[in-house]
Amino acid sequence: DAGITQSPRHKVTETGTPVTLRCHQTENHRYMYWYRQDPGHGLRLIHYSYGVKDTDKGEVSDGYSVSRSKTEDFLLTLESATSSQTSVYFCATADGTLQDTTYEQYFGPGTRLTVT
Amino acid sequence: QQPVQSPQAVILREGEDAVINCSSSKALYSVHWYRQKHGEAPVFLMILLKGGEQKGHEKISASFNEKKQQSSLYLTASQLSYSGTYFCGTFRSGTYKYIFGTGTRLKVLA
Repeated sequence: DAGITQSPRHKVTETGTPVTLRCHQTENHRYMYWYRQDPGHGLRLIHYSYGVKDTDKGEVSDGYSVSRSKTEDFLLTLESATSSQTSVYFCATADGTLQDTTYEQYFGPGTRLTVT
Repeated sequence: QQPVQSPQAVILREGEDAVINCSSSKALYSVHWYRQKHGEAPVFLMILLKGGEQKGHEKISASFNEKKQQSSLYLTASQLSYSGTYFCGTFRSGTYKYIFGTGTRLKVLA
């Protein structure tokens, strides 16, 4: 199994506070992804990275920012948390090239975030 | 727009078969299938490529119709361990952006 950890695993925070979730991998995979999972919506891409300092938006990026200063770490920041951001957040990694879409994603264990 | 999966949910008895469909409004160049057990992270099952090549970890079969932009996952002689939510997924052409389907909840009863 790919070595992917997420921290924290659970967090309760108040509306308006900043929150940072961390994804750490030991596989040296080039690509990293942040998803949120909500009942009735499945897995939705927030942001992704295709290399150090190379990031781009997914389909639900409003209210989120990311940073990747090292291959192994991908941070997701909620600048000012809202109740609509209560969700389970999954990080995933993958390796491959743009021309090769065969690579599988490996998922971290998830972070359950509750915004009160 | 997310690929649409059908059915949304299905309940089976052990030993029965099931088919899960994934349909996209945009061109598909490859289709991945993942399974997520309750309270766990998704796990890769298999990938289907244009031309019919199939790669996967488990003995679960699938098909990919490029013209119809559809893929189907076939679960035969289901086991209790097959229970979970199944997702199809794909990369948007020419990008690293990934999108999952709407998901299908599968429950296998003893």
